[in-house]
Amino acid sequence: GAVVSQHPSRVICKSGTSVKIECRSLDFQATTMFWYRQFPKQSLMLMATSNEGSKATYEQGVEKDKFLINHASLTLSTLTVTSAHPEDSSFYICSATEYNSPLHFGNGTRLTVT
Amino acid sequence: DQQVKQNSPSLSVQEGRISILNCDYTNSMFDYFLWYKKYPAEGPTFLISISSIKDKNEDGRFTVFLNKSAKHLSLHIVPSQPGDSAVYFCAASANSGGGADGLTFGKGTHLIIQP
Repeated sequence: GAVVSQHPSRVICKSGTSVKIECRSLDFQATTMFWYRQFPKQSLMLMATSNEGSKATYEQGVEKDKFLINHASLTLSTLTVTSAHPEDSSFYICSATEYNSPLHFGNGTRLTVT
Repeated sequence: DQQVKQNSPSLSVQEGRISILNCDYTNSMFDYFLWYKKYPAEGPTFLISISSIKDKNEDGRFTVFLNKSAKHLSLHIVPSQPGDSAVYFCAASANSGGGADGLTFGKGTHLIIQP
């Protein structure tokens, strides 16, 4: 079946540094990728939607200059958390779809900013 | 304003019995609903879905019921098994497929199956 690989699974970084998270579709072309964020005991919150070759569309309240999303190919999207702060510590999950097929999720990345 | 609500943060059910997880929504534009299962430190995995043109969809031990007039859906798991212990997210889409638009998720219900 379809698989979405997300890397790294865990990352610890110092405040002020940047962190890149990769999301790859392994056996299908991800025409659209989504990035979610989950706080403890909270829902998955959609951060942004990206279509291959286009700029990402960010949800209200998400800083596009802080959370840089690149979807340069049909199999890879990256989320870069720039100048990370402790409040950015969270669980980030990507998902991908080929046209209108159901979403497939990555396993998530636990980001801890110290 | 939460458009998808799962009012029970946790639910404990005895093994072999029926687990019923509930979900309410407020957005009348939603026309496709999905349930995802999530283990700790993993991404959600798709479980079952239902289109608004149906009121029931069954897949093995899992059945989803949709009551459009009440804007309510439920997931039934019978019989419940220890491996069903996980967090279950209800999700909704206004795109009849949940693909090209991001999903709106509830906060999840932690299902605990007791031996």
